[in-house]
Parts: sequence; structure tokens; C-alpha cells
Amino acid sequence: GNSVTQMEGPVTLSEEAFLTINCTYTATGYPSLFWYVQYPGEGLQLLLKATKADDKGSNKGFEATYRKETTSFHLEKGSVQVSDSAVYFCALSEQGSNYKLTFGKGTLLTVNP
Amino acid sequence: GAVVSQHPSRVICKSGTSVKIECRSLDFQATTMFWYRQFPKKSLMLMATSNEGSKATYEQGVEKDKFLINHASLTLSTLTVTSAHPEDSSFYICSAIPTVSGNTIYFGEGSWLTVV
Repeated sequence: GNSVTQMEGPVTLSEEAFLTINCTYTATGYPSLFWYVQYPGEGLQLLLKATKADDKGSNKGFEATYRKETTSFHLEKGSVQVSDSAVYFCALSEQGSNYKLTFGKGTLLTVNP
Repeated sequence: GAVVSQHPSRVICKSGTSVKIECRSLDFQATTMFWYRQFPKKSLMLMATSNEGSKATYEQGVEKDKFLINHASLTLSTLTVTSAHPEDSSFYICSAIPTVSGNTIYFGEGSWLTVV
């Protein structure tokens, strides 16, 4: 079956530090890949996505590239802010099924001023 | 933007009792909603797909008689955990797809259930 493995947290960084949260996946075919973010007290929000190999998703300074050869979709940001503190979830959906998501465990990021 | 609201956000119930969690789409209609749960240090796992006006579709290994899902209107789905036990303690989160522009999924803020 499908699975998503993401970096164990929590991750604590200082403001303006570089962020990487690793995510690898197992799936058949060509899944779509997503990063969701959950700010305290709020629902999950789509941060970025990529639907085919070598696609780069980007939003709010975050980026992730769909690497089929390494089955990875690592999240990066060059300079984090305190407001980026949240839980980040990597997820995939099977080819042809954008609504049934398989999630990773989530990574708690705390950014200190 | 579109909002999905869950209630209650936290609930504690006694073992053997039933507890209901509501998932509402506040500014759009949703024919389809999803229920997930997350155990500590585990992934969010899809429990079931809730379809307005019809029976829910449960994922393998999820007991339909224990986790009752009702989607009686286009803006409300409810999850009832019946005869709750401590092992049902978990984080439950719902998501909804707008019926009109169904290419974005909106998530609720989640509900923490503790069974004592």
C-alpha cells in the first residue's frame, strides 16, 4: 500500500535559518504529492503540491521538488520566520484520486526569534 | 476563504459512553467529507468517506458499527464513537470538498477525544 515517511520532529530553528523537512513516499504509479500546514488552533491548509515528476511546488517561500528517482518531496525554505511555526504534513494521493490522501506523521516546527 | 469547523475541539468521555463529533462546512456545500484519525506519533489515517444522503464508505479495518457516520445535509457530517474505550482516544479530523468547485480539500481544526 501507499505510505509516507517524513522527518521526525520536533524541529526548532532560529529566525532566518534554513529549513529542510524530509519526506519520502511509497506508491504505485504516479501519485500527486502535497505539503499541508496546520497552524495552532486551525485546520490543515494546503501549502504546496506537485503532480508529476520534476515538478516544483512553491508557496510563501517554501519549495518542494517531486523526485521520482529518489521517491522524495523534501520541503525547504531559505529563511524561516516565527510565523512559520506550525505542524507540517507530507501527503500523497494515488494517481487519478486527488481526494483520498495518505499522510506522514507530521513534523512540528518551532521558530524562535 | 472556505472554512470547515469541528465541534467539540476537545472532549473527555467515560468508557462505555458514546460521543459525537460534528464537522460543518460554514460557507459552502459539501457532498463529500472525509474523516481521519491520528494516534500519537502516527500518521493521519483515513477512516471513512462520508457521502451526503447515502452510507459512508469505510476503510479496511475501521468498524462501521463503532464509528457511525451521518451526512444528513450538505453542510454537516457527524462521527459518533459508540461504546468508547480508552484505545479510541485520538485526534479526529474531517475534511470537505465543495460540491460546486470540487478541486480543493478543506480541513477542520480537529477534535481531541480522550476516553477515561
